[in-house]
Amino acid sequence: NAGVTQTPKFRILKIGQSMTLQCAQDMNHNYMYWYRQDPGMGLKLIYYSVGAGITDKGEVPNGYNVSRSTTEDFPLRLELAAPSQTSVYFCASSYSGSGNSYEQYFGPGTRLTVT
Amino acid sequence: AQRVTQPEKLLSVFKGAPVELKCNYSYSGSPELFWYVQYSRQRLQLLLRHISRESIKGFTADLNKGETSFHLKKPFAQEEDSAMYYCALSSGGSNYKLTFGKGTLLTVNP
Repeated sequence: NAGVTQTPKFRILKIGQSMTLQCAQDMNHNYMYWYRQDPGMGLKLIYYSVGAGITDKGEVPNGYNVSRSTTEDFPLRLELAAPSQTSVYFCASSYSGSGNSYEQYFGPGTRLTVT
Repeated sequence: AQRVTQPEKLLSVFKGAPVELKCNYSYSGSPELFWYVQYSRQRLQLLLRHISRESIKGFTADLNKGETSFHLKKPFAQEEDSAMYYCALSSGGSNYKLTFGKGTLLTVNP
């Protein structure tokens, strides 16, 4: 299994541009998450999904959108990039089952710079 | 609101010395606590969870509800323990979201 994969690894955007960060998992996990990690700030939840067709806002959703059309994919969309969105973005997934403590499996991250 | 505090941004110890990474939380219910670790050039991964009461790579962590703490300990640090460590909290039940602390960068010197 590849686990959680993210593309691209790096990206530089100009202010006002848009892009989609891709995330996919092959573990048949029902839950998926997007986090951003700013220097010295830990991880903050942007959006999450509990299954295909169901998404909800996390702690810092402004400026982002998500969709979950399949169990495997959970893309994150930036419509009008701003310098404040310069960050490292992590996608994660987890499976809710009997005896599971919702361990989250993380992707390698996407480093985004907006100038 | 739930919150996780890791008071130390940086922690440096010598090989063979004991290490303790502090984590305090605020949550009114019964939380589930985790430690995640990120080694250099690797992705974030689960180190241990409190309900398993396990020891992973020599690390242990005990949930102290009275002091609302979940400190990570290892009696003899190794150079390969150098990494970024994050404490995380879930409110449990059907709540699958994690709240992370800001992390502590542990450096184990030879």
